[in-house]
Amino acid sequence: DQQVKQNSPSLSVQEGRISILNCDYTNSMFDYFLWYKKYPAEGPTFLISISSIKDKNEDGRFTVFLNKSAKHLSLHIVPSQPGDSAVYFCAASANTGRRALTFGSGTRLQVQP
Amino acid sequence: GAGVSQSPSNKVTEKGKDVELRCDPISGHTALYWYRQSLGQGLEFLIYFQGNSAPDKSGLPSDRFSAERTGGSVSTLTIQRTQQEDSAVYLCASSLSYGNTEAFFGQGTRLTVV
Repeated sequence: DQQVKQNSPSLSVQEGRISILNCDYTNSMFDYFLWYKKYPAEGPTFLISISSIKDKNEDGRFTVFLNKSAKHLSLHIVPSQPGDSAVYFCAASANTGRRALTFGSGTRLQVQP
Repeated sequence: GAGVSQSPSNKVTEKGKDVELRCDPISGHTALYWYRQSLGQGLEFLIYFQGNSAPDKSGLPSDRFSAERTGGSVSTLTIQRTQQEDSAVYLCASSLSYGNTEAFFGQGTRLTVV
């Protein structure tokens, strides 16, 4: 049972344009959401997070939006840069029960120069 | 240390042998997690520790897998009688506390069972 889903395995955008990565979840107990970036042969790196009490969190070029009613979150990168090319994982956790992060399967972003 | 450290970075072992993977979390982090990523797959949760205890072992794929943590710091993941399907990158992460906080990952151990 995949509780966190990233339905797009890959995404390609032009440098300077916006990248939008999507994530859906099914567990209504999730109340904290994170995005990680992963380069080949490296561990995932924390990028940005959002608590369920918010619907938007912005950090520089990265903005995460949370739509609780739709159980959907998205990561916007603008403007996209070639160095942003990586695999992006969405993750979620609950403040009760299992507290480890549950990850999606990842979206590979390719930013074309 | 400055970050989460895992050793070895690469391990090739023969089917049926036991392996031990080590994780040194960030100093002061009470929560420690093990995940694995098989080829082309996402991150699969294995087990997490709060201090030295493991409240959730439900992700361990079989009884050949075990993990321990001592002194609230170093953790070892042991796989007995390795099988080819155990081949994956094993990732360790730690966080300041458990719950809603970001976890910081090590670079992983790539395990290949031949």
